[in-house]
Amino acid sequence: GDSVTQMEGPVTLSEEAFLTINCTYTATGYPSLFWYVQYPGEGLQLLLKATKADDKGSNKGFEATYRKETTSFHLEKGSVQVSDSAVYFCALSGSQGAQKLVFGQGTRLTINP
Amino acid sequence: NAGVTQTPKFRVLKTGQSMTLLCAQDMNHEYMYWYRQDPGMGLRLIHYSVGEGTTAKGEVPDGYNVSRLKKQNFLLGLESAAPSQTSVYFCASSYPTADQPQHFGDGTRLSIL
Repeated sequence: GDSVTQMEGPVTLSEEAFLTINCTYTATGYPSLFWYVQYPGEGLQLLLKATKADDKGSNKGFEATYRKETTSFHLEKGSVQVSDSAVYFCALSGSQGAQKLVFGQGTRLTINP
Repeated sequence: NAGVTQTPKFRVLKTGQSMTLLCAQDMNHEYMYWYRQDPGMGLRLIHYSVGEGTTAKGEVPDGYNVSRLKKQNFLLGLESAAPSQTSVYFCASSYPTADQPQHFGDGTRLSIL
């Protein structure tokens, strides 16, 4: 079945550092790919998405490119802020019907001032 | 915009007690979902619904029941709570295409003693 593997955390960086969180997937067909962010005590919010190969999703300075050849969707940001501290989830949907999401295990990110 | 609203936000139960978690959405979404979130395991799908009056099992349905009598509401029931059901529960809703994101509530933190 479909699966998502994320870089294990926790990840701790200093403010203004470069961020990469790795995400690879296994799926049949052509899934849509998502990054969600969860701030403390809140639900998940969509951060960005990409729906076909070579698409780049972007939002709030974060970017991720849908790489079909490497089955990857790595999240990047050039200069992180303390406010980016959260848990980040990579997810895919599309091959299992009913738009069911398959999530990675999540990566906790902490940014120190 | 209320989006997806979950009630209650917190609850403590004793083993064997029953309860119902309520999810309401105001976005006229066809699809609704219940997930549980446990440390290190991401989110796992419990049950989902593709329309009013329909429900289906997800990845971890045992010990839970659901109902979708109205399009905007999706109820999750625990008939006889067990300590293994201690978790954070999230409801989500979406349009019925794979490229559309799911919208999440803020969660219900449930402890079973």
